[in-house]
This record gives sequence, C-alpha cells and structure tokens, in this order.
Amino acid sequence: EPEVTQTPSHQVTQMGQEVILRCVPISNHLYFYWYRQILGQKVEFLVSFYNNEISEKSEIFDDQFSVERPDGSNFTLKIRSTKLEDSAMYFCASTKAGNSNQPQHFGDGTRLSIL
Amino acid sequence: GQQVMQIPQYQHVQEGEDFTTYCNSSTTLSNIQWYKQRPGGHPVFLIQLVKSGEVKKQKRLTFQFGEAKKNSSLHITATQTTDVGTYFCAPRGGNNRKLIWGLGTSLAVNP
Repeated sequence: EPEVTQTPSHQVTQMGQEVILRCVPISNHLYFYWYRQILGQKVEFLVSFYNNEISEKSEIFDDQFSVERPDGSNFTLKIRSTKLEDSAMYFCASTKAGNSNQPQHFGDGTRLSIL
Repeated sequence: GQQVMQIPQYQHVQEGEDFTTYCNSSTTLSNIQWYKQRPGGHPVFLIQLVKSGEVKKQKRLTFQFGEAKKNSSLHITATQTTDVGTYFCAPRGGNNRKLIWGLGTSLAVNP
C-alpha cells in the first residue's frame, strides 16, 4: 500500500538555524498538509497546500514557516530561524481529493529537537 | 474556532474489559473521522462518520455519530493489548478540510 514518507526521522538543530523537513506524499494525492505534535499534546494543524499554493494556514504558521513543492514529488516545510518551542513531531499528510470524505494519510513524522 | 472535547483523557483497563471514548463538539459537525496513534507512531485513519445517528463497526470497534451530529463515540469490546494507543476524533473543517484535533483518549491495557 502506498505510503507518505518523511525525512529525516529525527533532526537536531541549534536554535536560530534553518531547518527543512521533507515529505513525499502518495503519488496520486493532490492535497497536502503539515501538522505538528508537541510531546504529550494534541496534533495541531499548520498548513494545507493545493495546486502549488497554500489554501489555509493556522496562527502557528507565521513568517518563519514556509512550504514548497519544488518538484512533482516532494513537499517541504522550512523553518527559517528555529526557536526552542519549535521542538515537536512534525507530520505530513496527504489526501486524494479535498472533499471532507477522504481520509488523510500520515507519514511517520520527523522529530525536530531544537537545542 | 471549532473545537472538540474528548473524554476521558486517559483510561486504564484490564485486558478483556470494554472501553469507550466520547467526543463532543459545541457546533454541528458535517462529518467526523477517528484516528488511532500508537505510542511513538503516526495517526492512522480508522473510520469516517457522516450521517446523523450513524453506527459503524470494525470487528471489536463500534463507532457512533450522535443524532444531532454534535457528538461521537468509539467503543471497544473486550480490549486487547494491541488496542493500546491514543484515539482521536477529528472533524474536518476549513477550506481544504484540515483536521481539527481533540486531545485524544490514551488507552492503556493491562495484560
């Protein structure tokens, strides 16, 4: 069964450094999402992406965050200047279509640790 | 914004006991999805409920959507150690149907 893949599985970065998290959504999916989950807390929506542009973003997704689909397969999340509070598990998800009947398929996540 | 509350937050059961988690919303939901997240894992889609009063079963799991479409429940009959994890209800909303997550219910099962 096709899967969403995320790399790296764990990223350790110094505060203030830029970090890029990578995702390869399922190949025939059109809608992409980033979520984050701080340890022990709920999953929080960051951003949704369709047709090469952001369709919705949360308050968390400020100017330090950006997303890109640089080619036909990758979907990246960039944090320009990381802060300690950015430490979390970041999940990428994709759906085949944007209607609410489609399940979202999640990758295994990238654990981001900011020192 | 739209929020969901899940209760209980934690549940500890003996293997073989039943388990139920409840999901409540202040607003009427168009649909609701349930996900399971194993410790250290990622959320995995379980089911979607759309119709008022809908009941769906997956083996030992029974999912229900309330008549007013403001609440939902997940019931597990005769829990097993493989049921361990956090169960999230997640209605979808927004422009591209982002998932709106509750805190989830963490289930621990003693063998």
